[in-house]
Amino acid sequence: QVQLMQSGAEVKKPGASVKVSCKASGYRFTSYGISWVRQAPGQGLEWMGWISTYNGNTNYAQYFQGRVTMTTDTSTNTTYLDLRSLRSDDTAVYYCARDTVGLRFHPYFDYWGQGTLVTVSS
Amino acid sequence: DIQMTQSPSSLSASVGDRVTITCRASQSISSHLNWYQQRPGKAPNLLIYGATSLQSGVPSRFSGSESGTDFTLTISSLQPEDFAVYYCQQSYSSPRTFGQGTKVEIK
Repeated sequence: QVQLMQSGAEVKKPGASVKVSCKASGYRFTSYGISWVRQAPGQGLEWMGWISTYNGNTNYAQYFQGRVTMTTDTSTNTTYLDLRSLRSDDTAVYYCARDTVGLRFHPYFDYWGQGTLVTVSS
Repeated sequence: DIQMTQSPSSLSASVGDRVTITCRASQSISSHLNWYQQRPGKAPNLLIYGATSLQSGVPSRFSGSESGTDFTLTISSLQPEDFAVYYCQQSYSSPRTFGQGTKVEIK
């Protein structure tokens, strides 16, 4: 069965960086891209960007441009989210999601990781 | 960016009620509209894609419709497990924006 398993919770100080991993199983990894979505406490969902697991192409939301890097390792079926220059308002649960963009006429996120809480606090 | 506006932001309903949630896009998105359900402490779960298509495994009491830039999620007979937050999302263009969410609570 399709699974996305994310790394554990992180606590970081302002100005630091965090790297969250998302390991996929149960399907052909390079057939689907991965999107990252975050959710601040008590707030809604915010799309951060997408990476092609096939060739590493990325598409980042403008709000995160310059602070975010998404990478993929096809040898371990793992995608990574790297967020730099952390601020207190980056405190959120970060989700990876399997993305059908490029495969479906109406793309969607059909499987999600369990989420990784990143807390930014001095 | 395309803005997605949901209404209401919350509602109270009873088991067995018919519930309707609306999502309006700030411009045409050509049926590229998805609905997700999020239960407390859990990841979102895809319900509807392409405005009207039911995701595999999702109960048939959930349905979606569209009229221009207005989209509707309907739960025909609310069940206890349906008390959750519902989000619409447009997949027409980047960034793939979400609505602010609608919380469905027990009356």
